[in-house]
Amino acid sequence: AQTVTQSQPEMSVQEAETVTLSCTYDTSESDYYLFWYKQPPSRQMILVIRQEAYKQQNATENRFSVNFQKAAKSFSLKISDSQLGDAAMYFCAYRSKGNAGKSTFGDGTTLTVKP
Amino acid sequence: DVKVTQSSRYLVKRTGEKVFLECVQDMDHENMFWYRQDPGLGLRLIYFSYDVKMKEKGDIPEGYSVSREKKERFSLILESASTNQTSMYLCASSLGDSLAKNIQYFGAGTRLSVL
Repeated sequence: AQTVTQSQPEMSVQEAETVTLSCTYDTSESDYYLFWYKQPPSRQMILVIRQEAYKQQNATENRFSVNFQKAAKSFSLKISDSQLGDAAMYFCAYRSKGNAGKSTFGDGTTLTVKP
Repeated sequence: DVKVTQSSRYLVKRTGEKVFLECVQDMDHENMFWYRQDPGLGLRLIYFSYDVKMKEKGDIPEGYSVSREKKERFSLILESASTNQTSMYLCASSLGDSLAKNIQYFGAGTRLSVL
C-alpha cells in the first residue's frame, strides 16, 4: 500500500518570502500521479499543482513549483513570494494510475503567513 | 465550474442511528470519493467509485457502505453510527484517469457529530 508522509505539521513564512513544504511517499509502482491540494480555513479543498511521475520536468503554476525527485520519492512544494491568501492547510496526495487507482493523502501541513 | 454538493454542512446523530451522507456532482465525472478528515490524520479514503454501481474499498471502510445508483450521486451510509465516526466527511469527484482528468474536486464537507 502507498503511504504519503508530510513531516512538517506546521510551517510559517513571512509575507513575500519563499517557503518549501516537504512530502515523501512510498510506492512500488513506476507510474503514478502526485498532487498538492490547499484547504483554506473553512473553505473547500482545491488543487494547487500536479505532476505525472514519468515526466522529469518539475511542474510550475505561477508562484507554486515542485521539486520532484523520483528516486528519492520526494515531492516538495515551493511557494514563492508568499501572500496572506496562501495561509491554509496543504495536503500532498498520491494517486495510482488506472480507473481503480486508490488515492492517498498525507496528514497535511498548516502554513501560516505573517504580514 | 465543477460543483460538488454535499447535502448537509452539519449533522448531529445519535449512536445506533442509520446515517446517509449524500454527494452530487454536476460535471459527468466518472470517479467519486468519500474521505474523512480528522486532526493530525489528514484525509483518509473510505470508499471510492469509478463507475455507476462500482465501488472499491479505501483504507478505512469498516463501519461504512456506499451506493452509486446514478453517475452524479454517491452516498455514504453509516449503518449504525458510533461516536468514533464523529468527523468531517469530504466528498470529491474526478473526471477520469489521466493527469488532467485526475484532479479531484471537493465538496464543502459535512461535519458529523455522533452523540
